[in-house]
Amino acid sequence: AQKITQTQPGMFVQEKEAVTLDCTYDTSDPSYGLFWYKQPSSGEMIFLIYQGSYDQQNATEGRYSLNFQKARKSANLVISASQLGDSAMYFCAMREAGGNTGNQFYFGTGTSLTVIP
Amino acid sequence: SAVISQKPSRDICQRGTSLTIQCQVDSQVTMMFWYRQQPGQSLTLIATANQGSEATYESGFVIDKFPISRPNLTFSTLTVSNMSPEDSSIYLCSVAWARETQYFGPGTRLLVL
Repeated sequence: AQKITQTQPGMFVQEKEAVTLDCTYDTSDPSYGLFWYKQPSSGEMIFLIYQGSYDQQNATEGRYSLNFQKARKSANLVISASQLGDSAMYFCAMREAGGNTGNQFYFGTGTSLTVIP
Repeated sequence: SAVISQKPSRDICQRGTSLTIQCQVDSQVTMMFWYRQQPGQSLTLIATANQGSEATYESGFVIDKFPISRPNLTFSTLTVSNMSPEDSSIYLCSVAWARETQYFGPGTRLLVL
């Protein structure tokens, strides 16, 4: 089974509007971390936001917030007030605390976001 | 976080040759990793670079093809050996402190002809 599932290959949003990028995850580990990264066309991976499995509140970082629904195993990224510079690929990732692979991250297949002026 | 640099940023190589990619961090880090991102795909972990010992490779990746060095806590290299067009990818190094967020370098775009 896929550890991270992103079901939206591509999304469009009007500038200044909010957009939600979906992410569901699969783990039996009670302790895990969820991450979102942005990858512009330049190729670099930019860390956006982190949510720990034991965090009581949803993480927020500026215009980014993570809608964490633990029972549904979803960790959707919400971008408010979209800007043209938000156009990029967005990857959801998970790190499990257990296992013998140290700090291995599992990445989803990504969502391509296009912001329309 | 840390400032992470990679060299080269991009390269075009002939099949059968080898390319060494460098990853430099401006502070000591616990963990360093190498990923491959094939065109239009997600990231795949190649190996964990261990300081002073052999790297830990993921399934499907072998040391003969992707030798890795990590001589200290701020530097690592990945060599892509005997390249073929299928090796055309973005190669990214990442760093972490213990089991925390991974921060990525700018990536190396490799095209093999």
